[in-house]
Amino acid sequence: QKEVEQNSGPLSVPEGAIASLNCTYSDRGSQSFFWYRQYSGKSPELIMFIYSNGDKEDGRFTAQLNKASQYVSLLIRDSQPSDSATYLCAVNGDNFNKFYFGSGTKLNVKP
Amino acid sequence: DAGVTQSPTHLIKTRGQQVTLRCSPISGHKSVSWYQQVLGQGPQFIFQYYEKEERGRGNFPDRFSARQFPNYSSELNVNALLLGDSALYLCASTPSGLAAEETQYFGPGTRLLVL
Repeated sequence: QKEVEQNSGPLSVPEGAIASLNCTYSDRGSQSFFWYRQYSGKSPELIMFIYSNGDKEDGRFTAQLNKASQYVSLLIRDSQPSDSATYLCAVNGDNFNKFYFGSGTKLNVKP
Repeated sequence: DAGVTQSPTHLIKTRGQQVTLRCSPISGHKSVSWYQQVLGQGPQFIFQYYEKEERGRGNFPDRFSARQFPNYSSELNVNALLLGDSALYLCASTPSGLAAEETQYFGPGTRLLVL
């Protein structure tokens, strides 16, 4: 059983700070990694995906991947109260036909 | 463009009943996946269909079944409902589900409550 681990939080940061969310995965063969944001009562929405080791930036978001350490992270710069949500890490499975999700990290951004 | 659509949005059933959930993928997408999300947990994979064929199945009992139609829409059926089946059921759409770089886009979900 492939595992994706996330700290459940809550992670509390003040408005304008950098929020750092972390995720580890068990399957060394995993190739694709995704971050989703889920507001309470809503469905997950894609924030970013990353395939290669290193950093990938998109606006206020930066995804970091280290395949040797089986670690992927998401940095949110200039955090806003509207960023308060649960952030789900997902890893592609066998033949890319399923995603394995972590249980999510709840982020609270305090005004 | 319309995103993934699901119906109904909410459903209340009693134990032992059967339920059918429906999903229409993004236009041009041929693959549909189903997930179950219990409160406080991440989504768990149930099925994936591509071109009407089942391509993947998660660790769910045979009470769960699904199918995909020629227009790529899909139905998830759950028989003999248990209290533990209460969850948010999510449908996700991808172009094919055959490539590592493909992203799954989720519909709004169907919230099922079993009493």
